[in-house]
Amino acid sequence: DIQMTQSPSSLSASVGDRVTITCRASQTLTTYLGWFQVKPGKAPKLLIFPASSLRSGVPSRFSGSGSGTDFTLTISSLQPEDVATYYCQQSYITPWTFGQGTRVEIK
Amino acid sequence: QISLKEPGPTLVKPTQTLTLTCTVSGFSLSSAGMAVGWVRQPPGKALEWLAHIYWDDDERYSPSLERRLTITKDTSKDQVVLTMTNMEDVDTATYYCALATGGISLEVWGRGTPVTVSS
Repeated sequence: DIQMTQSPSSLSASVGDRVTITCRASQTLTTYLGWFQVKPGKAPKLLIFPASSLRSGVPSRFSGSGSGTDFTLTISSLQPEDVATYYCQQSYITPWTFGQGTRVEIK
Repeated sequence: QISLKEPGPTLVKPTQTLTLTCTVSGFSLSSAGMAVGWVRQPPGKALEWLAHIYWDDDERYSPSLERRLTITKDTSKDQVVLTMTNMEDVDTATYYCALATGGISLEVWGRGTPVTVSS
């Protein structure tokens, strides 16, 4: 199985701050990497797939980069509505696997 | 508009079998490239992919749960069914069905259904 390692596990930042979350895969994914936003009581939302492609309707302050084994999700200017847990997920090969999640809070 | 709907909250006893039906609309389960899968999230824990089934009936399972899982689809009813045998307390979670299309990962999700395992 491909292991997905996210860091940090949680972060606290101020409104307007630039926030970066990293995800490392145990083997290459090419660009078959997605980023999900999960808010309590709501369904996960796909923000980016593959690796650097913003899904329709997702605010442009979100961006993704990387290929191979190292990937990054960046929020360029953190907003209150971005409070959530973010997960990376590989769909390069089954079993599909998720990272452990990064909880983002407002300082 | 594409949507996926899971059933309401479910309570099962330990050792029982869980059956979850995802009803889809806005697309056909037989359309090339379509895959519908199940993902769960135990309280306070990470998302976990369980299984998915492709338009051509190809089935994929999480190796750690494969012995307990079966995924099927009924194209005429627009339904995907997941069964999980021998339920345990640790299987308590919110279970989501989700659609992956044309190589795009899990892009449309249902609202999720809480499943509680308790005697």
